[in-house]
Amino acid sequence: AQTVTQSQPEMSVQEAETVTLSCTYDTSESDYYLFWYKQPPSRQMILVIRQEAYKQQNATENRFSVNFQKAAKSFSLKISDSQLGDAAMYFCAYRSAQGGSEKLVFGKGTKLTVNP
Amino acid sequence: AAGVIQSPRHLIKEKRETATLKCYPIPRHDTVYWYQQGPGQDPQFLISFYEKMQSDKGSIPDRFSAQQFSDYHSELNMSSLELGDSALYFCASSLQRGGPYNEQFFGPGTRLTVL
Repeated sequence: AQTVTQSQPEMSVQEAETVTLSCTYDTSESDYYLFWYKQPPSRQMILVIRQEAYKQQNATENRFSVNFQKAAKSFSLKISDSQLGDAAMYFCAYRSAQGGSEKLVFGKGTKLTVNP
Repeated sequence: AAGVIQSPRHLIKEKRETATLKCYPIPRHDTVYWYQQGPGQDPQFLISFYEKMQSDKGSIPDRFSAQQFSDYHSELNMSSLELGDSALYFCASSLQRGGPYNEQFFGPGTRLTVL
């Protein structure tokens, strides 16, 4: 079974600074998808960024980028120019690319605090 | 754009009672997923449906059952409720052939409190 590990229960960053959230995963599959979800106090799950395992190029979405290291099974999220609205729980998630199993497997989450 | 709708948003039940949670996927989406998020926990996959058939099953208790109807909405039925069932229940929907990611769009969740 696949597992996702987020080793940082909490992180803090100053407004306008950069922060990196860590995520590692364990799988025997070669093809899969990785995601970062944001869960603000409203508890709504919001997709931040996604990455296909067979794409070597790291995904980027505005101020959010990932560092995907397939061999190391690492998928970290970098938030640049942090804003107060970025404060939330961030979940790293894995999804198999094999048919019939599209469930998301989440890590335990990292609570990000943004200090003004 | 239309989003995933879940009802009710909040539900309070007593132990041993039953509860029914409803999920209305984004129009044209054919797949529905249910997740349970306990207090301070990560979401855990319960069950999913594709074209009204169960497509995958996770850590769903036998006391729970779910189905997807012809209009693609889904209901999660929970019986003999226990205190430990208190959680936020998310529904997500996707379109199976909507692209390589088959991105799951989450609803706002139903907060179930069992007293």
